[in-house]
Amino acid sequence: ETGVTQTPRHLVMGMTNKKSLKCEQHLGHNAMYWYKQSAKKPLELMFVYNFKEQTENNSVPSRFSPECPNSSHLFLHLHTLQPEDSALYLCASSLTRGSVAFFGQGTRLTVV
Amino acid sequence: AQSVTQLDSHVSVSEGTPVLLRCNYSSSYSPSLFWYVQHPNKGLQLLLKYTSAATLVKGINGFEAEFKKSETSFHLTKPSAHMSDAAEYFCVVSVTLNYGGSQGNLIFGKGTKLSVKP
Repeated sequence: ETGVTQTPRHLVMGMTNKKSLKCEQHLGHNAMYWYKQSAKKPLELMFVYNFKEQTENNSVPSRFSPECPNSSHLFLHLHTLQPEDSALYLCASSLTRGSVAFFGQGTRLTVV
Repeated sequence: AQSVTQLDSHVSVSEGTPVLLRCNYSSSYSPSLFWYVQHPNKGLQLLLKYTSAATLVKGINGFEAEFKKSETSFHLTKPSAHMSDAAEYFCVVSVTLNYGGSQGNLIFGKGTKLSVKP
């Protein structure tokens, strides 16, 4: 148990659906991250939030929309996804950017 | 620029034999270095970290890593592999500036998949 909780653990959605992934931490961390992990590809950093402000968007398509309402919660809103978006989506948090990150268990997303 | 290279995409060992997972890094500043482990369908778990203290770092589950600045390496070792060590291992670098702050993000290697044969 790392202190970072992601829900749901598994999600199957159609290409026209809208869904959201949730990440929660009560570690007092100020930075939160979304990563995408696809089969046979390196871990891809998607978004970084530092003190609730988005500081990085690594050319992520607009069908992925992050939201950070407070320092403990991070969402990833999904709409009109493609099958190639199927992957494990990992949330992480750290006290400051670049310090030790603690990861959630991930959400296994399948787009059909 | 910072980068990390894991030299082997797959390592296979027999149970009870030593494990060596290799990692080289590139960093313009004093790096912080980490090893994470990921078991199938799970998130990443921190194994150990180096942040400019002792160069030999001990982690969980009997793993350790040695920071060698001259070789820009941070290889992960374990004296005796256990079946439960089968997983994917990620070497990670982060930049630490001279004043002790940190900037940037964690840079992940591509991962090394460790198989343990009975």
